[in-house]
Amino acid sequence: DSGVTQTPKHLITATGQRVTLRCSPRSGDLSVYWYQQSLDQGLQFLIQYYNGEERAKGNILERFSAQQFPDLHSELNLSSLELGDSALYFCASSVEGYGYTFGSGTRLTVV
Amino acid sequence: QQPVQSPQAVILREGEDAVINCSSSKALYSVHWYRQKHGEAPIFLMILLKGGEQKGHDKISASFNEKKQQSSLYLTASQLSYSGTYFCGTEPSYSGAGSYQLTFGKGTKLSVIP
Repeated sequence: DSGVTQTPKHLITATGQRVTLRCSPRSGDLSVYWYQQSLDQGLQFLIQYYNGEERAKGNILERFSAQQFPDLHSELNLSSLELGDSALYFCASSVEGYGYTFGSGTRLTVV
Repeated sequence: QQPVQSPQAVILREGEDAVINCSSSKALYSVHWYRQKHGEAPIFLMILLKGGEQKGHDKISASFNEKKQQSSLYLTASQLSYSGTYFCGTEPSYSGAGSYQLTFGKGTKLSVIP
């Protein structure tokens, strides 16, 4: 157990639907990051939150949104899902000057 | 901008050594190295910071050339457990607490065979 908890582990949904991925960071880590990993794209940065505030945005689609709550857990919302959104979604947390701790990921399959 | 890793793939016999390289077109504040096994989460191996500080696992070594924006990961006396995909992640600048996002390379697939 890395200390970063992601739920659910697997998600199968139909095109056009909306899903929510959840992440609880490691205790004490203020930063939460979301990454998308597909076979041909590697780890693509989506968005970062730091202590409740959005800090940086990467290649996140307008159909996707995220937030971080006062208890520092974060949710990634994916809507109007398309086949191409099928991927592994990782959450990671960190403290400054140290490496990321990744969660085990959510495997999203859009059918 | 995504850092470039080389080689894309390498096959080693147990006990052999390998070097994985990571190059960026931007000036870097830090470079991270991670290993990911198929279907699992990436695992942190090492961070190299501008100025020479390094933190990571004792059995892993790496270098960071700040002038060339290049880093190399050295795997010596490889074991079967070293197999996986190695990613470098780069942080282009330091902008204060919380500005700590990484851009990852496409990865180097390492296979260690008996």
